[in-house]
Amino acid sequence: AQTVTQSQPEMSVQEAETVTLSCTYDTSESDYYLFWYKQPPSRQMILVIRQEAYKQQNATENRFSVNFQKAAKSFSLKISDSQLGDAAMYFCAYRFRGGGADGLTFGKGTHLIIQP
Amino acid sequence: DAGVIQSPRHEVTEMGQEVTLRCKPISGHNSLFWYRQTMMRGLELLIYFNNNVPIDDSGMPEDRFSAKMPNASFSTLKIQPSEPRDSAVYFCANRAGETENSPLHFGNGTRLTVT
Repeated sequence: AQTVTQSQPEMSVQEAETVTLSCTYDTSESDYYLFWYKQPPSRQMILVIRQEAYKQQNATENRFSVNFQKAAKSFSLKISDSQLGDAAMYFCAYRFRGGGADGLTFGKGTHLIIQP
Repeated sequence: DAGVIQSPRHEVTEMGQEVTLRCKPISGHNSLFWYRQTMMRGLELLIYFNNNVPIDDSGMPEDRFSAKMPNASFSTLKIQPSEPRDSAVYFCANRAGETENSPLHFGNGTRLTVT
């Protein structure tokens, strides 16, 4: 079974600084997708960024970028120029590309605090 | 499109009562997922449907839980009888597109409290 581990229960960063959230995963598959979701206090789950395992280039979305290290099974999220609105729980998620189980496997999350 | 709509937003019930959570997925997308979120266990996949058919219900914790999707625009998750340990936030999610890398769109969840 696939597992996703987020080793940082909580992170704190000063506004306008850069922060990196860690994620590692365990899978025997070679083809899969990885996602980062944001969950603000409103409880809504919002997609931040996604990465296809077959792509070597790291995904970027404005201030959000990932460092995907396939051999190390690592998928960290970097948030540049942190803003107060970035404060939320961040979840790393994995999905196997192929038949069978089609849902996402989530990590336990990292609570990101933005200090003004 | 209004996105995935869940109701109620909050539910408080007494132990032993039946609870029904509702979900209206995004129209035109044929997959639907039910997740449960707790502090201890994080987000757990309970069941998912494809074309209204349950594909994988291995995450359903026990027989007290059941889910249905009678048509493409409606799904329910029922707990009968409810227990305090069922207290959690329950999310319904829909795949946002038909390609393999389409992300999930989540509803705003139902916070269930069983006393």
